[in-house]
Amino acid sequence: GAVVSQHPSWVICKSGTSVKIECRSLDFQATTMFWYRQFPKQSLMLMATSNEGSKATYEQGVEKDKFLINHASLTLSTLTVTSAHPEDSSFYICSEAGLSTDTQYFGPGTRLTVL
Amino acid sequence: DAKTTQPPSMDCAEGRAANLPCNHSTISGNEYVYWYRQIHSQGPQYIIHGLKNNETNEMASLIITEDRKSSTLILPHATLRDTAVYYCIVRVNSGGSNYKLTFGKGTLLTVNP
Repeated sequence: GAVVSQHPSWVICKSGTSVKIECRSLDFQATTMFWYRQFPKQSLMLMATSNEGSKATYEQGVEKDKFLINHASLTLSTLTVTSAHPEDSSFYICSEAGLSTDTQYFGPGTRLTVL
Repeated sequence: DAKTTQPPSMDCAEGRAANLPCNHSTISGNEYVYWYRQIHSQGPQYIIHGLKNNETNEMASLIITEDRKSSTLILPHATLRDTAVYYCIVRVNSGGSNYKLTFGKGTLLTVNP
């Protein structure tokens, strides 16, 4: 399957700072990328869907001004958590899909801890 | 997308087959059945998917009932590394945002030595 990387794999930051998470498609042109978050002992929840070159579509209840998504190329999408607070501490996972495949492949995830 | 029902947990002995059931009684004709698994603190891993026919790959087999209202994922020879949460998801395949997956709670499979 396709290979997806995320950077960083974990990050600790102070409350009020912003954190950027990168999601790269290493061997695949991802026309669509998805961002999920997962709180401890819970399932994955979709945050937003981004198509290359367009604005992201956010799920209900996800603040678009707080979670900034950029998908400027077919191989890179970024999620920026602005003014992070302890309640934003979570496991953030990206996934990719392309027009030529019907399967979604996931990155390894980024553990964010906000102090 | 149709909802799925899975048992919250299952146990399996190492080396034996693990059979994970999934009910999707409201599945529609154009929805596929997908299986992913998530090992602790990792991103989900794609396993297999199918529409109506049984499917097999190097990881597992997928058995879909004739009425498509349920399916079973079979890991033929479970190992300790197969301990994970297994998610059964149904969705249409039509590109763009329709690729999004809705995760339920899945089944925690524990493979015991």
